[in-house]
Amino acid sequence: NAGVTQTPKFRILKIGQSMTLQCAQDMNHNYMYWYRQDPGMGLKLIYYSVGAGITDKGEVPNGYNVSRSTTEDFPLRLELAAPSQTSVYFCASSYGGGVKRTDTQYFGPGTRLTVL
Amino acid sequence: DAKTTQPNSMESNEEEPVHLPCNHSTISGTDYIHWYRQLPSQGPEYVIHGLTSNVNNRMASLAIAEDRKSSTLILHRATLRDAAVYYCILIYQTGANNLFFGTGTRLTVIP
Repeated sequence: NAGVTQTPKFRILKIGQSMTLQCAQDMNHNYMYWYRQDPGMGLKLIYYSVGAGITDKGEVPNGYNVSRSTTEDFPLRLELAAPSQTSVYFCASSYGGGVKRTDTQYFGPGTRLTVL
Repeated sequence: DAKTTQPNSMESNEEEPVHLPCNHSTISGTDYIHWYRQLPSQGPEYVIHGLTSNVNNRMASLAIAEDRKSSTLILHRATLRDAAVYYCILIYQTGANNLFFGTGTRLTVIP
């Protein structure tokens, strides 16, 4: 199992450009999440999905869009990049959304994005 | 959401036990206590979780106060690989499907 994979690892964008951060998992997990982590801070939830075709906003969704057409993939789209979106982005997945051991989240290695 | 409070940083000598505290005085009866850690330049990883009773696994132990207003993550013998930021997080029993991360405790392990 590769677990949760993310591409690219690094990216530099100019203000106003758009891009898609890719996330895939091969654990047949139902739940997937996107977080961002600003320097010296904890992670904040951007969007999450409880299954294919179902997504919902997290704490900081503005400036981002997501889709979930398959169980495996959960891409994050940045439209009109802004310097405030400079951050490290983590994708995660879990089998369920509760509190059991099987519901714990598995994280990808992250994408470091800089917007200049 | 119930909040947690952790010290910003702690140090430990290698191969000594480490006790990482977490205060959660507003915890509700249905909140589970989860611990994750984030190694340098990596995504967070699950460490341990519990509700009321103390818990042990191959990575660590979790000691929960009788009134559940605090808990302690115990690393029995710290190694250099345990240097990380440790997050204490409360999750609702009814199925909160996201994690609210604070700033955590940065553990430094001294060789």
